[in-house]
Formats: sequence, C-alpha cells, structure tokens
Amino acid sequence: GQSLEQPSEVTAVEGAIVQINCTYQTSGFYGLSWYQQHDGGAPTFLSYNALDGLEETGRFSSFLSRSDSYGYLLLQELQMKDSASYFCAVNSGGYQKVTFGTGTKLQVIP
Amino acid sequence: EADIYQTPRYLVIGTGKKITLECSQTMGHDKMYWYQQDPGMELHLIHYSYGVNSTEKGDLSSESTVSRIRTEHFPLTLESARPSHTSQYLCASSGLAGDAEYEQYFGPGTRLTVT
Repeated sequence: GQSLEQPSEVTAVEGAIVQINCTYQTSGFYGLSWYQQHDGGAPTFLSYNALDGLEETGRFSSFLSRSDSYGYLLLQELQMKDSASYFCAVNSGGYQKVTFGTGTKLQVIP
Repeated sequence: EADIYQTPRYLVIGTGKKITLECSQTMGHDKMYWYQQDPGMELHLIHYSYGVNSTEKGDLSSESTVSRIRTEHFPLTLESARPSHTSQYLCASSGLAGDAEYEQYFGPGTRLTVT
C-alpha cells in the first residue's frame, strides 16, 4: 500500500520562508502533488513533480527526490493568507490513483 | 475555469435514511473521485471512476455505492445512513492522459450530519 508522512503543524512569520516535507512509500510511483486547503474550503492544486528537481511557480516551489522518496513544498515571502493546510499526494499504480498525506497545518503569524 | 458542482452543500438526516450526494463536472474529465474528510484530517479515497461504467472502491472501507452512467455525473449513495457517516464528502475530477491527468479539481463538498 501507500503511506505518506508530513509534519502535522508548522508556524512561520509573515514574510519568511517555510519548507513542508513529505516522505512517501509506494509502488508504481508516477509523481508527487501538493494541494492547499483553507479551513472550510476544498483542496486546490498547487504543483506536481514527476522528475527529480525543483519546480517553481511564483512564491511556491516544489522539490522531488525519487531515490529518497522525499519531496518538499517551499513557500517564500509568506503572507497571512497562506495560513492553511497543505497536503502532499502521490500518483501511483497503473491508473495513477492518488493517495493523500495527513496534511500540514501552516500558521502564519505577524 | 474548472467547474465541478456538488449538491447539497449541507445535509442533516436521520439514521436509516437513504441519501444520494450529487456531483457533476462540465470539463469532460474522464476520472472522478469521492473522498471523505473529517475536519482537520486527511482525505480518504472511498470511490473512483476512470470513465463511464467504470467504478472502483478506494482505500477507505465504505458502505456507500457509486455509479457512472454519464461522463459528467458521479453520484454517491448511502443506502442507510448512520452517525458514523457524519463527515465532509468531497468530489473531484481530473483530465485525460497527459500532463493534466495528475491535477484534481475539487467540488465545494457536502457536509453531512447523521443524527
């Protein structure tokens, strides 16, 4: 089966940089995705890594190391609106089924 | 613009009732999913579909059933609701093979309370 591990909570200061790590165990790995979910809202897609390396999208970057079964989401220039839960998710298997991690609750403080 | 709809948004129902949660998407996506999520917790995949007449059970044991008669429609049915079914139910869809396949679009969710 699949399993993913993330820190449960992270607190960071507005304007700072924060990194949220994700380690996974899976078979038939295709890629690692990241989603953001505000309280009471639905998850929204942030990024996807299929190959090793860093992908940058504005203030958000995502990294993958397939050999280490590890990835992270990097948020720069933190804003109060970035306070949310962040989920990593693996696409795996013949039909690329998606399995979500336990989520990391990010609190941005002034 | 991603369009995926869920109805009802909120539902309070008594134990033993049969309910159907509706999910529709207008993006022509082949893949659709149902997740169950308790507040502040992870998403659990309960059903998924890769196309019309294709449905599979997910990782979380569920007493619900789904159908996929039309590409755009993926309803979830609980034959006999129980208090343990109280949760938020999220529907999602994703596109055809290729770069867009991995990106899931989520509906607003149905918050179900069974009394």
